Amino acid sequence: ETGVTQTPRHLVMGMTNKKSLKCEQHLGHNAMYWYKQSAKKPLELMFVYNFKEQTENNSVPSRFSPECPNSSHLFLHLHTLQPEDSALYLCASSQESGSTSSYEQYFGPGTRLTVT
Amino acid sequence: KQEVTQIPAALSVPEGENLVLNCSFTDSAIYNLQWFRQDPGKGLTSLLLIQSSQREQTSGRLNASLDKSSGRSTLYIAASQPGDSATYLCAVHPPNEKLTFGTGTRLTIIP
Repeated sequence: ETGVTQTPRHLVMGMTNKKSLKCEQHLGHNAMYWYKQSAKKPLELMFVYNFKEQTENNSVPSRFSPECPNSSHLFLHLHTLQPEDSALYLCASSQESGSTSSYEQYFGPGTRLTVT
Repeated sequence: KQEVTQIPAALSVPEGENLVLNCSFTDSAIYNLQWFRQDPGKGLTSLLLIQSSQREQTSGRLNASLDKSSGRSTLYIAASQPGDSATYLCAVHPPNEKLTFGTGTRLTIIP
């Protein structure tokens, strides 16, 4: 496997279910991200992890819970979601440097989530 | 707060034509600008990254330019092909912030 992988690719869940999205990067990067992409909206950054530490949480509802056990794996735990949470969830990684002047983000294929 | 705009939202051109996609941003203080391609239902593929000190970057038939003072970037695609059909997103990296994305331009190349 190369690059950034995400599983599952598609997920349908009821509002009372609990599920998890998984992301794995094989690029040796030290930062990982969760984004949400809804129809006709720009990508929304949800969470950022640098060196396994969460550095940003952009006011995401608590029904989304991230976990980063190591620098190459990232999870997004989901519970009691709402229909408006249906979207494409994208994971990305990058190699952060002290200058933060040059990094390129590499994205996974995404998980298409439908909440019924 | 940085805002990124891409106009038009959709564009159709005949195969073989050269075309330009536009991206504008409100704050010229950026570290870099990145162009991505997204196929339907798929993730993003990075096409070109332009550092704030650069004016352009080229990769094959793609050429991206950056004019920080006017808050604009363009992505030039030469000799378009049906395989170029996709949504093209630009994103800027402001200081001490993370990538800010535009809503994209959906490009269709007509065979």
